[in-house]
Amino acid sequence: QSVLTQPPSVSAAPGQRVTITCSGSSSNIEKNYVSWYQQLPGTAPKLLIFDDYQRPSGIPDRFSGSKSGTSATLAISGLQTTDEAYYYCGTRDDSLNGAVFGGGTTLTVL
Amino acid sequence: QVHLQQSGPALVKPSQTLSLTCAISGDSVSSNGAPWNWIRQSPSRGLEWLGRTYHRSSKWYSDFAVSFKSRLTIDADTFKNQFSLRLHSVTPEDTAVYYCARGGNNWFAPWGQGILVTVSS
Repeated sequence: QSVLTQPPSVSAAPGQRVTITCSGSSSNIEKNYVSWYQQLPGTAPKLLIFDDYQRPSGIPDRFSGSKSGTSATLAISGLQTTDEAYYYCGTRDDSLNGAVFGGGTTLTVL
Repeated sequence: QVHLQQSGPALVKPSQTLSLTCAISGDSVSSNGAPWNWIRQSPSRGLEWLGRTYHRSSKWYSDFAVSFKSRLTIDADTFKNQFSLRLHSVTPEDTAVYYCARGGNNWFAPWGQGILVTVSS
C-alpha cells in the first residue's frame, strides 16, 4: 500500500483532457512540493512536473499540475496516443523523513 | 545534460549483499547539496525511495528510508564520479528494478536506466 493514493486507471479519447488525482495527508502533500512522473513500459520514470506545477524544459504545456490541501492533480489536455503510460506522483513525507510515491495510474487513450 | 549509467549483477543469492553503481556524466557527485538517490520498483510494492547521499559544506551526508536504515549503505566515489548502493542480507522480497536518480526539492531527474535484480538461490 502506497502512502499516496492514485486511481489505478483513467481513460479518455484522443484530443480530450484527463485528470489524475493524488491524495495524501498533512505530513506529505499539504506541506511539501509534489512532483509527477511518466513511465513508458520498460523505461525509467521521467519527470513531468516539479514543485507542484512547474514543467522541466522540454515538457509540453499540455501537462499541468496543481495542488490543494492534501491532494494534487495532474491534468493532460489534447491527449495523444503517445501519452499512454503509467503516471506517478511523489513528494516528501515528514513523518517518514523521506520521499514517498503514489501507486501509479495507467492512462489509456481510447 | 546529466546522464546516469547503472551497473551491477542481475542475480544475488539470499542473505548476500546487493551492490550497484551509478556513474554520473554531466554533473559532479560532489555538487554542493545535490542529492544522489536510489529508488526501487516492484509490482508488489511500487516505487520505493531507499536513500540518498549528498555533499554539503565539505561533508558527506546520507539519509535512508526507515525500512532500510539497518541494512543499507550508500557511498560516493569522487574520483570515479559515481555513487553506489549496498543492500545487505537480501531476501526474495528485495527482487526489484533498482534505479539511481539525481534529486532536487522533492523531485528526481534524471533517472538511470534501471537494473532488474533478482534475489534467488
